[in-house]
Amino acid sequence: GAGVSQSPSNKVTEKGKDVELRCDPISGHTALYWYRQSLGQGLEFLIYFQGNSAPDKSGLPSDRFSAERTGGSVSTLTIQRTQQEDSAVYLCASSSGTSGGPANEQFFGPGTRLTVL
Amino acid sequence: AQSVTQPDIHITVSEGASLELRCNYSYGATPYLFWYVQSPGQGLQLLLKYFSGDTLVQGIKGFEAEFKRSQSSFNLRKPSVHWSDAAEYFCAVGAKGTYKYIFGTGTRLKVLA
Repeated sequence: GAGVSQSPSNKVTEKGKDVELRCDPISGHTALYWYRQSLGQGLEFLIYFQGNSAPDKSGLPSDRFSAERTGGSVSTLTIQRTQQEDSAVYLCASSSGTSGGPANEQFFGPGTRLTVL
Repeated sequence: AQSVTQPDIHITVSEGASLELRCNYSYGATPYLFWYVQSPGQGLQLLLKYFSGDTLVQGIKGFEAEFKRSQSSFNLRKPSVHWSDAAEYFCAVGAKGTYKYIFGTGTRLKVLA
């Protein structure tokens, strides 16, 4: 594909349910990021994958949040037992380069808007 | 602590007027600086970036930004705003040797016809 894609674009769920958000990065990009964008807030870093290295999970807000990246490509962010404060837009980005340094531009997907009722 | 501040939450300008969006950062290392734009329902798109060299950088869509180390600022400017520039703008900072960006809280731009 031409860019980063995310699905679903919108997700409404009930408190306590689990949700899965999907990200398809740009083909060939080794680095993948997940961010959370809450109303009136900047982008909050959640997790970073680089190739086959262990991911940096330091931004995950609680153990209800987890993410996987299969085959170095598609990634899934899972939120278990969702809470109302999890309502936000979840953005995925990918970049090229093995160093993952800031010189490698991050390309963002359109996001998934999660609403927890 | 590392931080990025965008002091203006909302800005309204008339079409054709000039624009300046403010960004201040606090970062111990030499910063890499970015401006992104987010249109409604879209992901973030990179407008421009500064790594080193000329402190005035040109970006896409007629935008430019100036890095001022003494003021810890990286303000975004455009001489004449178009209605299609209405969007949210984010400033971000990174550093050599790290892969994380720190984003500001964004400035929402409204353009009056």
